[in-house]
Amino acid sequence: GDSVTQMEGPVTLSEEAFLTINCTYTATGYPSLFWYVQYPGEGLQLLLKATKADDKGSNKGFEATYRKETTSFHLEKGSVQVSDSAVYFCALTEVGGGSNYKLTFGKGTLLTVNP
Amino acid sequence: DTAVSQTPKYLVTQMGNDKSIKCEQNLGHDTMYWYKQDSKKFLKIMFSYNNKELIINETVPNRFSPKSPDKAHLNLHINSLELGDSAVYFCASSQNYYGYTFGSGTRLTVV
Repeated sequence: GDSVTQMEGPVTLSEEAFLTINCTYTATGYPSLFWYVQYPGEGLQLLLKATKADDKGSNKGFEATYRKETTSFHLEKGSVQVSDSAVYFCALTEVGGGSNYKLTFGKGTLLTVNP
Repeated sequence: DTAVSQTPKYLVTQMGNDKSIKCEQNLGHDTMYWYKQDSKKFLKIMFSYNNKELIINETVPNRFSPKSPDKAHLNLHINSLELGDSAVYFCASSQNYYGYTFGSGTRLTVV
C-alpha cells in the first residue's frame, strides 16, 4: 500500500535559518503530493502541493519539488520565522481512484523556531 | 463563512457513554472524510463518503458509525466510548485530488 516517510522531529532552528524537512513516499500509481501545516491548537491547512513529476509547489516562502526518480518531496524554506513553528505533514493521494482520494500522511515533524 | 465546520470543538465524557460529532461543509464538495489524530499527532483515515455513499471504511471498530444525510454533512456517532478513543477527530472534504479542506477538529477526552 501507499506510505509516506518523513524525518522525525523535533526540529529546532533559530530565526532566519534554512529549513529542510525530508519526505519520501511509496505509491503504486501516480500520486499527488502535499505538505500540510498544523499550528498549535488548530486544524490542518494545505501549505503546498504538486500533482506530477518535476512540479514545484510553493507558498509563503516554502517550496517542494516532486522528484519521481527519488520518490521524494522535501520541504524547504530559506529563512524561517518564529511564526513558522508548527507541525508539518507530508501526504499523498493516488490519482485515478475514482472518488477515493484517500490522503496518506507521514507522521509529522514538529518545527520550533527560536528568536 | 467557515468552509468545514465541526461541532463540538471539545468533548469530555465518561467511559461507556455514546456521543456524536457533527460536520458540515459549504464548499459543494462531493467527498467527505473523518480522520483520527492520536496523541503522537499521527493522522489516519477512518471513513470516506462520496455523495452520501460510504467509500472507505478503514478497520475502525463498529462502535463508530458515520452517517451522511446529504453530501454537505457527515456525522460520527460513537457508542460505548473507551479510554483509547481519546483523540482529535478531523472532518475534511474534497472535490478531487487537489487536496482537502479540513475542519478545526474535535478534541475528545474519555475519562
